[in-house]
Amino acid sequence: QKEVEQNSGPLSVPEGAIASLNCTYSDRGSQSFFWYRQYSGKSPELIMFIYSNGDKEDGRFTAQLNKASQYVSLLIRDSQPSDSATYLCAVNKKPFGGGSNYKLTFGKGTLLTVNP
Amino acid sequence: KAGVTQTPRYLIKTRGQQVTLSCSPISGHRSVSWYQQTPGQGLQFLFEYFSETQRNKGNFPGRFSGRQFSNSRSEMNVSTLELGDSALYLCASSLNSGNQPQHFGDGTRLSIL
Repeated sequence: QKEVEQNSGPLSVPEGAIASLNCTYSDRGSQSFFWYRQYSGKSPELIMFIYSNGDKEDGRFTAQLNKASQYVSLLIRDSQPSDSATYLCAVNKKPFGGGSNYKLTFGKGTLLTVNP
Repeated sequence: KAGVTQTPRYLIKTRGQQVTLSCSPISGHRSVSWYQQTPGQGLQFLFEYFSETQRNKGNFPGRFSGRQFSNSRSEMNVSTLELGDSALYLCASSLNSGNQPQHFGDGTRLSIL
Protein backbone atom coordinates (compact mmCIF):
# COMPACT_ATOMS: atom_id res chain seq x y z
CA GLN A 1 0.00 0.00 0.00
CA LYS A 2 1.38 3.41 -0.96
CA GLU A 3 2.00 5.82 1.90
CA VAL A 4 0.01 8.63 0.28
CA GLU A 5 -2.43 7.92 -2.53
CA GLN A 6 -4.18 10.27 -4.87
CA ASN A 7 -6.23 9.71 -7.99
CA SER A 8 -3.94 10.83 -10.81
CA GLY A 9 -6.87 12.22 -12.80
CA PRO A 10 -7.28 14.19 -14.86
CA LEU A 11 -10.21 15.62 -12.99
CA SER A 12 -12.15 17.90 -15.27
CA VAL A 13 -14.72 20.40 -13.95
CA PRO A 14 -16.55 23.32 -15.55
CA GLU A 15 -15.76 26.87 -14.51
CA GLY A 16 -17.72 27.86 -11.42
CA ALA A 17 -18.15 24.30 -10.16
CA ILE A 18 -16.73 22.72 -7.00
CA ALA A 19 -13.62 20.62 -7.52
CA SER A 20 -13.07 17.85 -4.98
CA LEU A 21 -9.61 16.37 -4.61
CA ASN A 22 -9.01 13.34 -2.41
CA CYS A 23 -6.07 11.78 -0.65
CA THR A 24 -5.65 8.73 1.57
CA TYR A 25 -2.66 7.86 3.72
CA SER A 26 -1.51 4.64 5.29
CA ASP A 27 0.23 5.67 8.52
CA ARG A 28 -2.07 6.36 11.47
CA GLY A 29 0.81 8.22 13.13
CA SER A 30 0.57 11.00 10.56
CA GLN A 31 0.14 14.35 12.22
CA SER A 32 -0.06 17.13 9.67
CA PHE A 33 -1.44 17.38 6.19
CA PHE A 34 -0.66 19.76 3.37
CA TRP A 35 -2.00 20.62 -0.05
CA TYR A 36 0.31 22.05 -2.69
CA ARG A 37 -0.54 23.34 -6.12
CA GLN A 38 1.97 22.85 -8.92
CA TYR A 39 1.60 24.50 -12.30
CA SER A 40 3.33 22.82 -15.23
CA GLY A 41 7.03 23.65 -15.19
CA LYS A 42 6.83 25.35 -11.81
CA SER A 43 7.58 24.35 -8.23
CA PRO A 44 4.93 23.35 -5.66
CA GLU A 45 3.12 26.18 -3.89
CA LEU A 46 1.59 25.64 -0.44
CA ILE A 47 -2.13 26.42 -0.45
CA MET A 48 -3.54 24.74 2.66
CA PHE A 49 -2.47 22.82 5.74
CA ILE A 50 -4.53 21.12 8.42
CA TYR A 51 -3.63 19.42 11.68
CA SER A 52 -6.97 18.56 13.34
CA ASN A 53 -10.01 16.60 12.32
CA GLY A 54 -12.69 18.65 10.63
CA ASP A 55 -12.74 21.43 8.08
CA LYS A 56 -10.45 24.39 7.54
CA GLU A 57 -11.47 27.12 5.16
CA ASP A 58 -9.34 29.74 3.41
CA GLY A 59 -11.07 31.74 0.72
CA ARG A 60 -12.29 29.39 -1.99
CA PHE A 61 -10.35 26.48 -0.52
CA THR A 62 -11.51 24.05 2.18
CA ALA A 63 -9.36 21.27 3.55
CA GLN A 64 -11.12 18.37 5.26
CA LEU A 65 -9.43 15.85 7.51
CA ASN A 66 -10.76 12.57 8.86
CA LYS A 67 -8.03 10.79 10.80
CA ALA A 68 -10.22 7.78 11.63
CA SER A 69 -10.68 7.11 7.92
CA GLN A 70 -7.13 8.29 7.09
CA TYR A 71 -8.55 10.62 4.52
CA VAL A 72 -7.88 14.24 3.61
CA SER A 73 -9.57 16.24 0.90
CA LEU A 74 -9.40 19.64 -0.74
CA LEU A 75 -12.48 21.43 -2.05
CA ILE A 76 -12.14 24.31 -4.46
CA ARG A 77 -15.30 26.37 -4.77
CA ASP A 78 -16.11 28.51 -7.81
CA SER A 79 -13.32 26.85 -9.78
CA GLN A 80 -11.48 29.06 -12.23
CA PRO A 81 -9.38 28.16 -15.29
CA SER A 82 -6.39 29.51 -13.34
CA ASP A 83 -6.92 26.67 -10.83
CA SER A 84 -5.90 24.18 -13.54
CA ALA A 85 -2.79 22.53 -12.11
CA THR A 86 -1.57 19.40 -10.37
CA TYR A 87 -2.54 19.24 -6.71
CA LEU A 88 -0.17 17.41 -4.40
CA CYS A 89 -1.19 15.99 -1.06
CA ALA A 90 1.60 15.71 1.53
CA VAL A 91 1.56 13.99 4.88
CA ASN A 92 3.95 14.57 7.76
CA LYS A 93 4.69 11.63 9.99
CA LYS A 94 6.20 11.86 13.45
CA PRO A 95 9.21 9.60 13.71
CA PHE A 96 8.88 6.41 15.68
CA GLY A 97 10.22 6.84 19.21
CA GLY A 98 9.84 10.60 19.25
CA GLY A 99 12.23 13.28 18.14
CA SER A 100 11.64 16.07 15.70
CA ASN A 101 12.81 14.54 12.44
CA TYR A 102 9.46 14.40 10.74
CA LYS A 103 9.29 13.14 7.20
CA LEU A 104 7.03 14.76 4.60
CA THR A 105 5.69 12.24 2.09
CA PHE A 106 3.95 13.33 -1.09
CA GLY A 107 1.33 11.70 -3.23
CA LYS A 108 1.87 11.73 -6.97
CA GLY A 109 -0.73 14.42 -7.46
CA THR A 110 -4.07 14.91 -9.17
CA LEU A 111 -4.23 16.89 -12.40
CA LEU A 112 -7.17 19.29 -12.30
CA THR A 113 -8.51 20.92 -15.45
CA VAL A 114 -11.11 23.69 -15.17
CA ASN A 115 -12.92 24.24 -18.44
CA PRO A 116 -14.17 27.76 -19.33
CA LYS B 1 9.93 38.83 2.26
CA ALA B 2 12.12 36.95 -0.18
CA GLY B 3 11.25 33.33 -0.84
CA VAL B 4 13.47 30.30 -1.09
CA THR B 5 16.26 30.87 -3.60
CA GLN B 6 17.87 28.03 -5.49
CA THR B 7 20.86 28.26 -7.79
CA PRO B 8 21.51 27.46 -10.50
CA ARG B 9 18.12 27.13 -12.18
CA TYR B 10 19.39 24.85 -14.93
CA LEU B 11 22.39 22.58 -15.17
CA ILE B 12 23.66 20.17 -17.79
CA LYS B 13 26.24 17.58 -16.80
CA THR B 14 27.63 14.34 -18.17
CA ARG B 15 27.75 10.93 -16.55
CA GLY B 16 30.43 10.55 -13.92
CA GLN B 17 30.64 14.23 -13.07
CA GLN B 18 29.59 15.73 -9.79
CA VAL B 19 27.33 18.67 -9.07
CA THR B 20 26.61 21.06 -6.20
CA LEU B 21 23.26 22.79 -5.82
CA SER B 22 22.62 25.70 -3.51
CA CYS B 23 19.59 26.78 -1.48
CA SER B 24 18.99 29.92 0.56
CA PRO B 25 15.93 29.57 2.80
CA ILE B 26 13.36 32.19 3.67
CA SER B 27 14.84 34.61 6.18
CA GLY B 28 14.35 33.23 9.68
CA HIS B 29 13.73 29.67 8.52
CA ARG B 30 16.13 27.20 10.04
CA SER B 31 15.06 23.94 8.43
CA VAL B 32 15.93 23.04 4.85
CA SER B 33 14.69 19.93 3.08
CA TRP B 34 15.68 18.62 -0.34
CA TYR B 35 13.50 16.68 -2.76
CA GLN B 36 13.92 15.05 -6.15
CA GLN B 37 11.01 15.25 -8.56
CA THR B 38 10.71 13.05 -11.64
CA PRO B 39 7.66 12.27 -13.81
CA GLY B 40 7.73 8.60 -12.84
CA GLN B 41 8.45 8.78 -9.11
CA GLY B 42 6.96 12.12 -8.18
CA LEU B 43 8.40 14.09 -5.28
CA GLN B 44 10.82 12.07 -3.20
CA PHE B 45 12.45 13.20 0.03
CA LEU B 46 16.24 13.34 0.04
CA PHE B 47 17.18 14.80 3.41
CA GLU B 48 16.47 17.52 5.93
CA TYR B 49 18.89 19.81 7.73
CA PHE B 50 18.29 21.83 10.86
CA SER B 51 20.91 23.78 12.79
CA GLU B 52 23.64 22.38 10.54
CA THR B 53 22.65 18.79 11.38
CA GLN B 54 21.04 16.24 9.13
CA ARG B 55 17.80 15.36 10.89
CA ASN B 56 16.30 12.89 8.46
CA LYS B 57 17.29 11.06 5.30
CA GLY B 58 15.36 9.42 2.49
CA ASN B 59 16.19 6.27 0.57
CA PHE B 60 18.83 7.58 -1.78
CA PRO B 61 22.36 6.24 -2.33
CA GLY B 62 25.34 7.78 -0.61
CA ARG B 63 26.21 9.67 -3.80
CA PHE B 64 23.65 12.18 -2.61
CA SER B 65 24.87 14.31 0.24
CA GLY B 66 24.22 17.69 1.72
CA ARG B 67 25.19 20.17 4.34
CA GLN B 68 23.89 23.26 6.05
CA PHE B 69 25.81 26.33 7.08
CA SER B 70 25.43 28.48 10.17
CA ASN B 71 23.32 31.00 8.21
CA SER B 72 20.89 28.14 7.33
CA ARG B 73 21.91 28.11 3.67
CA SER B 74 22.23 24.58 2.36
CA GLU B 75 24.03 22.79 -0.40
CA MET B 76 23.36 19.43 -1.97
CA ASN B 77 26.02 17.42 -3.76
CA VAL B 78 25.60 14.53 -6.14
CA SER B 79 28.73 12.64 -7.13
CA THR B 80 29.32 10.20 -10.00
CA LEU B 81 26.24 11.36 -11.84
CA GLU B 82 24.05 8.80 -13.59
CA LEU B 83 21.49 9.30 -16.35
CA GLY B 84 18.75 8.52 -13.84
CA ASP B 85 19.73 11.54 -11.76
CA SER B 86 18.12 13.81 -14.33
CA ALA B 87 15.36 15.51 -12.38
CA LEU B 88 14.06 18.68 -10.82
CA TYR B 89 15.74 19.18 -7.46
CA LEU B 90 13.66 21.17 -5.04
CA CYS B 91 14.62 22.80 -1.80
CA ALA B 92 12.02 23.70 0.81
CA SER B 93 12.41 25.68 4.00
CA SER B 94 10.36 25.84 7.17
CA LEU B 95 10.57 27.81 10.36
CA ASN B 96 11.72 24.90 12.46
CA SER B 97 12.21 21.19 12.05
CA GLY B 98 9.10 19.13 12.61
CA ASN B 99 5.51 19.80 11.80
CA GLN B 100 5.85 23.17 10.10
CA PRO B 101 4.62 23.97 6.58
CA GLN B 102 7.40 23.88 4.01
CA HIS B 103 7.84 26.45 1.26
CA PHE B 104 9.56 25.51 -1.97
CA GLY B 105 12.08 27.28 -4.14
CA ASP B 106 11.86 27.30 -7.92
CA GLY B 107 14.13 24.27 -8.18
CA THR B 108 17.21 23.31 -10.16
CA ARG B 109 16.59 21.38 -13.36
CA LEU B 110 19.47 18.92 -13.74
CA SER B 111 19.99 17.14 -17.04
CA ILE B 112 22.55 14.37 -17.42
CA LEU B 113 23.87 13.61 -20.90
